Amino acid sequence: KAGVTQTPRYLIKTRGQQVTLSCSPISGHRSVSWYQQTPGQGLQFLFEYFSETQRNKGNFPGRFSGRQFSNSRSEMNVSTLELGDSALYLCASRQDQGAGEQYFGPGTRLTVT
Amino acid sequence: DQQVKQNSPSLSVQEGRISILNCDYTNSMFDYFLWYKKYPAEGPTFLISISSIKDKNEDGRFTVFLNKSAKHLSLHIVPSQPGDSAVYFCAARDGGAGSYQLTFGKGTKLSVIP
Repeated sequence: KAGVTQTPRYLIKTRGQQVTLSCSPISGHRSVSWYQQTPGQGLQFLFEYFSETQRNKGNFPGRFSGRQFSNSRSEMNVSTLELGDSALYLCASRQDQGAGEQYFGPGTRLTVT
Repeated sequence: DQQVKQNSPSLSVQEGRISILNCDYTNSMFDYFLWYKKYPAEGPTFLISISSIKDKNEDGRFTVFLNKSAKHLSLHIVPSQPGDSAVYFCAARDGGAGSYQLTFGKGTKLSVIP
């Protein structure tokens, strides 16, 4: 099976712009979660989607949003970018049966200048 | 408030010896714990997990121990190999949150010296 894929891998944006990141989960996985990794804060949960519905949201401002499509692919959007949004954005998928584990993609490295 | 803590930012171990990585948590609602390994410029890779109803889980060279009363878990790697050098993250799932949300520690960088 192919793993979780994320596009693009690297992105440079200017403060005030918006950005959309894409994630394709492992085939058959219906749950997709997004995390932000920064050197100071580690990995922080952004949100989780299942069957096109957001199930949970972390403690991030409304500038961070996401969606999931019927094929389980997911996108996250960050509007009005700030310098502090520079981070590695990770997507993870799972089958959503019991506890189980999440499988992560390689991430998108976003740099805001 | 950091609910999952990895108090050692780094650890150096000789090749062939045991590596012990520690993790403490504060949330009693955590019901499932996982360890991930991360190389630079890659996403975290799942290593091993343990349910809160168990106290030990073993997979090859990797063993995770859970002490619920102390709210402490540890990952043992025996024997350690140079390829194990990476950042290790401890993560926990809140069983009462209604969704699959992992809370991560800030990681421990393991260096295995040949």
